[in-house]
Order: sequence, then C-alpha cells, then structure tokens
Amino acid sequence: GQQVMQIPQYQHVQEGEDFTTYCNSSTTLSNIQWYKQRPGGHPVFLIQLVKSGEVKKQKRLTFQFGEAKKNSSLHITATQTTDVGTYFCRNNAGNNRKLIWGLGTSLAVNP
Amino acid sequence: KAGVTQTPRYLIKTRGQQVTLSCSPISGHRSVSWYQQTPGQGLQFLFEYFSETQRNKGNFPGRFSGRQFSNSRSEMNVSTLELGDSALYLCASSLDRGIEQFFGPGTRLTVL
Repeated sequence: GQQVMQIPQYQHVQEGEDFTTYCNSSTTLSNIQWYKQRPGGHPVFLIQLVKSGEVKKQKRLTFQFGEAKKNSSLHITATQTTDVGTYFCRNNAGNNRKLIWGLGTSLAVNP
Repeated sequence: KAGVTQTPRYLIKTRGQQVTLSCSPISGHRSVSWYQQTPGQGLQFLFEYFSETQRNKGNFPGRFSGRQFSNSRSEMNVSTLELGDSALYLCASSLDRGIEQFFGPGTRLTVL
C-alpha cells in the first residue's frame, strides 16, 4: 500500500540553526498536511498543501509541495527552543481516502 | 468552541482486562478517528467513524473495536489487554475526512 517516508527520524540542532524535514512518497500525493506535536502534547495542525509546487510560509516555517506531488518539506529558519517537538506529515490516499501518516521527525534544539 | 475531550486521561489495567475509552469531538464535527501512539511508532491509525458508521479501519486485531453515537461522541474498546497495548490513545475530530483534524489530549493506558 501507499507509504509516506519521513526523514530524518531525529534531528538535533543548536538554537539559531536551520532545520528541514522531508516527506517522500513513491506515488502521487493528493495533498499533504503537516502537524506538530510538542513533548507530552498532542498533534496540532500546521498547514495543508494541495497544488503542485505550492509554497506556504508561516513566520519562520516554510512548507513546500514538490512539482510531482510526491514529496514535501518543512523548513524552519533560525530554530528556537519553542520549535522542539515531532513534526508529522499526513496524506489522504486512494479511492477510500485512507489517511497515511509519516513516522515523524523529532527535533531537539540546544539553547 | 470547546476542544476535543478524552476520558479518562490516565488508566492502569492488568493483562486480560478490558478497557473503554471515550472521546467527545468538537461540536459539529462528524468524523472521529482513533490512533495509537507508542515511542518510535508514530501515529498508528485504528479506525474512523462518520455519522455512526465505521468508515475506515487500520491493521489492528479484533480486540480493538469502537463505535460512534448519534451525538458524534465515540468510544473505543480494547478487550483482553496485552502488555503491548500500553500506549497513548489519541482521538481526533474533523468536519469530514481529509480536512484538518483536531486532536484530544489522549488517554495514557498502561497495562501491567
């Protein structure tokens, strides 16, 4: 079945460094949603991308959807300790619109 | 609007017992999904309900079941608990599938 691979699984950065997580699929994705889960918390919706090549920004966060709609990325500029958490990507897939989640990228930020 | 609520927040059970978890979605949301989250396993989809009907199901054994009531509140049941069932169980609601999901705080289940 369709899978969504997220890399890296873990990332440890110094505060102020940039961070990027990638979401890749072997098949075309209808859309991508990104969620953030803080330690001890629950996932919170960040954004949805639908169009090929779409780029959206939220302050220091930049989200991209690939031209072929098979991959997506989330880039954080100048990380802060508040960015700590696990970032998940998610997609609706198939005729029965199954929800496919990546395993997440856990970000740790050293102050 | 009140958020998604889940009860109980914490639960300790022993092997072989059964457990029922409850989820109240955001008012007006008809889709309720359940997930199991364990360290390193991400969000494992259990099932999704929409207007009292199970619309989708993940790859979990039949010990895991759920239902949705006419007011969209949902329950999930796990029978004959195993140690491996220890996890955070998250409920998420949305207006419909595929749209932004709003998660509850989760129920932390520990099986001894």
